[in-house]
Amino acid sequence: DAGVIQSPRHEVTEMGQEVTLRCKPISGHDYLFWYRQTMMRGLELLIYFNNNVPIDDSGMPEDRFSAKMPNASFSTLKIQPSEPRDSAVYFCASSLGNEAFFGQGTRLTVV
Amino acid sequence: KQEVTQIPAALSVPEGENLVLNCSFTDSAIYNLQWFRQDPGKGLTSLLLIQSSQREQTSGRLNASLDKSSGRSTLYIAASQPGDSATYLCAVTIYTGKLIFGQGTTLQVKP
Repeated sequence: DAGVIQSPRHEVTEMGQEVTLRCKPISGHDYLFWYRQTMMRGLELLIYFNNNVPIDDSGMPEDRFSAKMPNASFSTLKIQPSEPRDSAVYFCASSLGNEAFFGQGTRLTVV
Repeated sequence: KQEVTQIPAALSVPEGENLVLNCSFTDSAIYNLQWFRQDPGKGLTSLLLIQSSQREQTSGRLNASLDKSSGRSTLYIAASQPGDSATYLCAVTIYTGKLIFGQGTTLQVKP
């Protein structure tokens, strides 16, 4: 398996624009996690899914953020409208409820 | 609420030294504990996974221990090398499948 795949690797966008980050988990994994990492706040869990169902979205900072998992092989994290304070590295991870594996992340810059 | 703490936040040691990184968690009801490594600008790489029923795991020069009753884990690195310089993060999985991270320890091994 190619591991957890995230796209794009880098995204630069203007404030107010919609941003969509994508994640393909490892085949067969039934947990999917979205994290945000910044120097100030470290690694923050935004939301996680089990069998495509959102279990805990308490980490989603505000209504501008939304996440979906339409099937077992794909998830999106959308920010609309984006703001400069959303600039961070966003990671996706997947697991079987056991060992978790991370993607390489998407570095988002909102100018 | 489960909280994970790592001390120290940063550590600098000379090459060849044996060292210990600490991780503590507030609720002993965990499913497993995982240690990760993160190089600057990169994703997280899984180093060791310890199931809740296990006391330790070893991989090469790395040894991780787990004491659930006291809420502690240590990562022991033997004969440290400059290539070990990175940020090390521990994370616990609780029984809902949620993966909770500490803030990490940034290690610098000087030649």
